[in-house]
Amino acid sequence: GEEVAQTPKHLVRGEGQKAKLYCAPIKGHSYVFWYQQVLKNEFKFLISFQNENVFDETGMPKERFSAKCLPNSPCSLEIQATKLEDSAVYFCASSQSRDVYGYTFGSGTRLTVV
Amino acid sequence: GDSVTQMEGPVTLSEEAFLTINCTYTATGYPSLFWYVQYPGEGLQLLLKATKADDKGSNKGFEATYRKETTSFHLEKGSVQVSDSAVYFCALSFSSGSARQLTFGSGTQLTVLP
Repeated sequence: GEEVAQTPKHLVRGEGQKAKLYCAPIKGHSYVFWYQQVLKNEFKFLISFQNENVFDETGMPKERFSAKCLPNSPCSLEIQATKLEDSAVYFCASSQSRDVYGYTFGSGTRLTVV
Repeated sequence: GDSVTQMEGPVTLSEEAFLTINCTYTATGYPSLFWYVQYPGEGLQLLLKATKADDKGSNKGFEATYRKETTSFHLEKGSVQVSDSAVYFCALSFSSGSARQLTFGSGTQLTVLP
């Protein structure tokens, strides 16, 4: 389809539980990006993929966050042992080309850690 | 590192008023500059962009000019509508040669009253 599909829309987890978010990029788009939007609208880049390969993971908190993009499956972002400060909206974007002009954003997953 | 500073909100205007949202950036080199808009419950949509100094991006009555001398990319619209109510994000990226992530400002909430 022509939209980036993120599921679920809302996710509530108790502190210490695992959270897994999914993103289906637009068909034919080979680049996928994950962003975290926290309070006061701040966006933080987490990780990008080129097909199933990690392209840039400089924003990932390595100890609890992991992400994958496997062939024929939605991409996923997993948070082990969630903390209160992980509460945020997580956005996925996909792009066909290597530059940023072709970004299409999904509508996000709101994660609430209680 | 690279950063984007946006005018603090929220901004409240009456319909048909003139809009300016200030944006300045700090970057090594010459980035591409963007304005994104986020409507409630939705992802980000590209509003306009400029890739080099003195370029003017425009879309839906919004305009912004890339000013290298003042490192600015202020968003303007001559006559706002209620439907323009949203959060506006200024962003930069170095997009040539590689898939690079966007660096966002903190967003400006705009509310237009009828």
